[in-house]
Amino acid sequence: GAVVSQHPSRVICKSGTSVKIECRSLDFQATTMFWYRQFPKQSLMLMATSNEGSKATYEQGVEKDKFLINHASLTLSTLTVTSAHPEDSSFYICSAQDRANSEGYTFGSGTRLTVV
Amino acid sequence: DQQVKQNSPSLSVQEGRISILNCDYTNSMFDYFLWYKKYPAEGPTFLISISSIKDKNEDGRFTVFLNKSAKHLSLHIVPSQPGDSAVYFCAASRNSGYALNFGKGTSLLVTP
Repeated sequence: GAVVSQHPSRVICKSGTSVKIECRSLDFQATTMFWYRQFPKQSLMLMATSNEGSKATYEQGVEKDKFLINHASLTLSTLTVTSAHPEDSSFYICSAQDRANSEGYTFGSGTRLTVV
Repeated sequence: DQQVKQNSPSLSVQEGRISILNCDYTNSMFDYFLWYKKYPAEGPTFLISISSIKDKNEDGRFTVFLNKSAKHLSLHIVPSQPGDSAVYFCAASRNSGYALNFGKGTSLLVTP
């Protein structure tokens, strides 16, 4: 089945630094990728939708200058958390849509970000 | 605004019995519904889906029921197994191409 690889799985960074999270579709082309964020015991909240070759669409309340999304190819999308703060510590998950797959949405394994 | 609601944060079921997880939604534009299973620190794993043209979809031990008039769906797992213990998320979408809206999840514990 469709596989989405997300790296890194865990990252610890200092306040003020930037962290890049990669999401790759391994065996299909993902024209659309979604980035979610999950706080403990909360739902997965959509942050942004990225379409290959165009600017990402951000959800209300998500700072686009802080969470930079790049979707330069049909198999790769990146999320960069800039000038990270402790409140950015969360679990970030990407999802890619494979229109040829009846399941539709395939999730990465997630990235646990801890900002110290 | 939570458009997909899972009002039971947790559920405990004995092995071999039926597990029933419930989900309600408010957006009548949703026409595609999915259930995901999630372990801590992992991404969600797809379980089963249903489109709004159906009211039931079955896959092995998992069956999803959709009641559009009530804007309610449920996931039945029978028989439940200890390995089913996880957090189950209900998700809904307007159509293919739109992002998923998730409920807050129900933590299922299946005891031997």
